[in-house]
Amino acid sequence: AQTVTQSQPEMSVQEAETVTLSCTYDTSESDYYLFWYKQPPSRQMILVIRQEAYKQQNATENRFSVNFQKAAKSFSLKISDSQLGDAAMYFCATEGGGSNYKLTFGKGTLLTVNP
Amino acid sequence: NAGVTQTPKFQVLKTGQSMTLQCAQDMNHNSMYWYRQDPGMGLRLIYYSASEGTTDKGEVPNGYNVSRLNKREFSLRLESAAPSQTSVYFCASSEPVMPYEQYFGPGTRLTVT
Repeated sequence: AQTVTQSQPEMSVQEAETVTLSCTYDTSESDYYLFWYKQPPSRQMILVIRQEAYKQQNATENRFSVNFQKAAKSFSLKISDSQLGDAAMYFCATEGGGSNYKLTFGKGTLLTVNP
Repeated sequence: NAGVTQTPKFQVLKTGQSMTLQCAQDMNHNSMYWYRQDPGMGLRLIYYSASEGTTDKGEVPNGYNVSRLNKREFSLRLESAAPSQTSVYFCASSEPVMPYEQYFGPGTRLTVT
């Protein structure tokens, strides 16, 4: 079974600065996907970024990028030039690979952005 | 294109009452899921349906039943609600092929008193 650990229940960042959210996971598969979802106060779950474990290159989406370390089973999210609208709960999730298409989520990190 | 819709958005039940949460998706996805979200626990899978006509238990299925009515609709039923089922419930859908990205509904906040 997959497990996902987010060791930072809460983080804060100043507007325009950079913050990194940590995530570690455990899986026995060799190819799988990893995701970061954002949940703002509206409660809607929004996909921020995804990474295929087969690919060495770290995924980037505008101000969001990941640092994927496959051997260490680490998948951190970096938010650059933080904006007030980035304030949200962030969830790391993994899909187990193979025929397992279910997602396993971490417990989340609550990000506060200070003006 | 509404994506994934859920009804109701809010509900208050008394212990022992029953209710059904409705979910529909218009993306022609084969797979659908029900999660619950509790403070400090992340999202936990209750039941899922890999394709029309199939359903399987997730991590926390006790106290719930599901029905995959057709390809679009996947309902979650609480037969006898308990205070421990107070939670926010999310429905999601996806294609059962990589990258397995799931699309979520807006959630239902359920309170059982």
